[in-house]
Amino acid sequence: KAGVTQTPRYLIKTRGQQVTLSCSPISGHRSVSWYQQTPGQGLQFLFEYFSETQRNKGNFPGRFSGRQFSNSRSEMNVSTLELGDSALYLCASSFDGPNNEQFFGPGTRLTVL
Amino acid sequence: GEDVEQSLFLSVREGDSSVINCTYTDSSSTYLYWYKQEPGAGLQLLTYIFSNMDMKQDQRLTVLLNKKDKHLSLRIADTQTGDSAIYFCAGFSGGYNKLIFGAGTRLAVHP
Repeated sequence: KAGVTQTPRYLIKTRGQQVTLSCSPISGHRSVSWYQQTPGQGLQFLFEYFSETQRNKGNFPGRFSGRQFSNSRSEMNVSTLELGDSALYLCASSFDGPNNEQFFGPGTRLTVL
Repeated sequence: GEDVEQSLFLSVREGDSSVINCTYTDSSSTYLYWYKQEPGAGLQLLTYIFSNMDMKQDQRLTVLLNKKDKHLSLRIADTQTGDSAIYFCAGFSGGYNKLIFGAGTRLAVHP
């Protein structure tokens, strides 16, 4: 089975722009979660989607949004980029079963100049 | 809210055992996980333990869970240079599939 894929792997943007990141989960997984990883704050939960519905949301401003499509692929969008949004954005997929293992993709490295 | 703490750095000699420790505040997570992150990569799920278990062994990896002290540890036997990475412990807290991570322990393996 193919793992979680994320595109693009690297992205450079300037302040004020917006960006869309994509995540394709493992086949059969219906839950997709997004995390932001920075040296200062570590790994922080952004949101989780299941069957096209956002079920959970972390403490991030409204500039961060996401969605999930009927094939379970997910996108996250960050509008009006700030320097502090520079981070590694990771998505994880799971079957949402009993032991609920979360499998992570390689991440998208976003740099905001 | 949930808090997960880890020591930040561990240095071991190749062939020795490594023990990475983690303490957590929220005991509601049914499972606790260990992830490995190599430079420039995402997180690799190494192993997990059910909260009703005290120990789980998986090849070179041993997970110990002390529920009373809310302490989790990961022991890597016969540590190799390929084990050099950052190790995160994590558990669920605060709703659907929300993992809370420790700050990560950087393991350095030297000859």
